[in-house]
Amino acid sequence: SAVISQKPSRDICQRGTSLTIQCQVDSQVTMMFWYRQQPGQSLTLIATANQGSEATYESGFVIDKFPISRPNLTFSTLTVSNMSPEDSSIYLCSVEDRGDGRREQYFGPGTRLTVT
Amino acid sequence: GQQVMQIPQYQHVQEGEDFTTYCNSSTTLSNIQWYKQRPGGHPVFLIQLVKSGEVKKQKRLTFQFGEAKKNSSLHITATQTTDVGTYFCAAGSARQLTFGSGTQLTVLP
Repeated sequence: SAVISQKPSRDICQRGTSLTIQCQVDSQVTMMFWYRQQPGQSLTLIATANQGSEATYESGFVIDKFPISRPNLTFSTLTVSNMSPEDSSIYLCSVEDRGDGRREQYFGPGTRLTVT
Repeated sequence: GQQVMQIPQYQHVQEGEDFTTYCNSSTTLSNIQWYKQRPGGHPVFLIQLVKSGEVKKQKRLTFQFGEAKKNSSLHITATQTTDVGTYFCAAGSARQLTFGSGTQLTVLP
């Protein structure tokens, strides 16, 4: 299993500003994922970030709003740009272990974002 | 991506009672995974099912994958307060996981 840390754990931001969330993994991984989870709701995939290539965004999410960096195999950042109250949510990064026929995703502790 | 429907949305049980959550898809799934999220926590992987009709057990938890690979269930026998949380199924495709809406389990002591 992978150990994932995220920073910050929570933040309160003003509308119109941007926040960058960091995700650090204790081992090298090919695929990293960014999810959004609104209170009491399921997880929605924002984008998949592979090292050395552009992130792949899901329907409803665009690079200008959620730019992602993946500079190496253990680190990624997600920026929430020009925030509005609708962006208030928990943002989670995850990695996937696909060894030996397995598919297991491991999640970071999440970043709880409140936009006022 | 694939869509999965999960029911019920909420379940309150008395400690010691059994609990089941169901996950259904209109399309055949290549695999299905189950995750548990404790209140205030992050999702934690429980299990992956791949084969038609597969049944796996983890102590009091029993996971099933339907014969047609379109549905799955998680059954907890004799619930305990430590079972409290939201249980998500997730359908795996080549590229991503699609999570169900989750079942929030409350266990009353």
